[in-house]
Amino acid sequence: GEDVEQSLFLSVREGDSSVINCTYTDSSSTYLYWYKQEPGAGLQLLTYIFSNMDMKQDQRLTVLLNKKDKHLSLRIADTQTGDSAIYFCAEDGGETSGSRLTFGEGTQLTVNP
Amino acid sequence: AAGVIQSPRHLIKEKRETATLKCYPIPRHDTVYWYQQGPGQDPQFLISFYEKMQSDKGSIPDRFSAQQFSDYHSELNMSSLELGDSALYFCASSPRQGRTEAFFGQGTRLTVV
Repeated sequence: GEDVEQSLFLSVREGDSSVINCTYTDSSSTYLYWYKQEPGAGLQLLTYIFSNMDMKQDQRLTVLLNKKDKHLSLRIADTQTGDSAIYFCAEDGGETSGSRLTFGEGTQLTVNP
Repeated sequence: AAGVIQSPRHLIKEKRETATLKCYPIPRHDTVYWYQQGPGQDPQFLISFYEKMQSDKGSIPDRFSAQQFSDYHSELNMSSLELGDSALYFCASSPRQGRTEAFFGQGTRLTVV
């Protein structure tokens, strides 16, 4: 997505932490999301953060939001081989485009044993 | 828990044919979205419906149409298919208008030959 950018690839060792970064442009977004897509599968909603929050923790997942810099990150603690997938960040349309989601290009996370 | 159901999972059509994709949202979800994901790309918003009315329109070709029925299921109709229409088509549903967390189905993989 041209309005949401992510790095395309990330490779980590099993047990390490993974940090996937995303920048977005629509400052009026209400929520920002992280989705996981395994090969040939659908999009699984992992977590989301309200735009007036700066951090959200959900088990192994930590989302950090820097609204000033329009930067979102997803940290996965103790990364496992089952975490290998493509991770998409997405923003909603906020005041401009309502509830449609705009996705980043996706980050391919590879977890090596 | 019930998820978004899409049918068929796979579809092969020839150029210039028509295709109909079906989506059954999560029970009590009244908003349905359609997204198209080309190979190696991020999902692109096509169209959405709230309470059986079109609520938003994205990059949906004129050859495509969609509707939401009284039981909240939705159908995406695609005519005069082109090779470039080959993609994964996702349906997603949300609990109510204004709540933007969207839960995605497994997708329909359309191949146009």
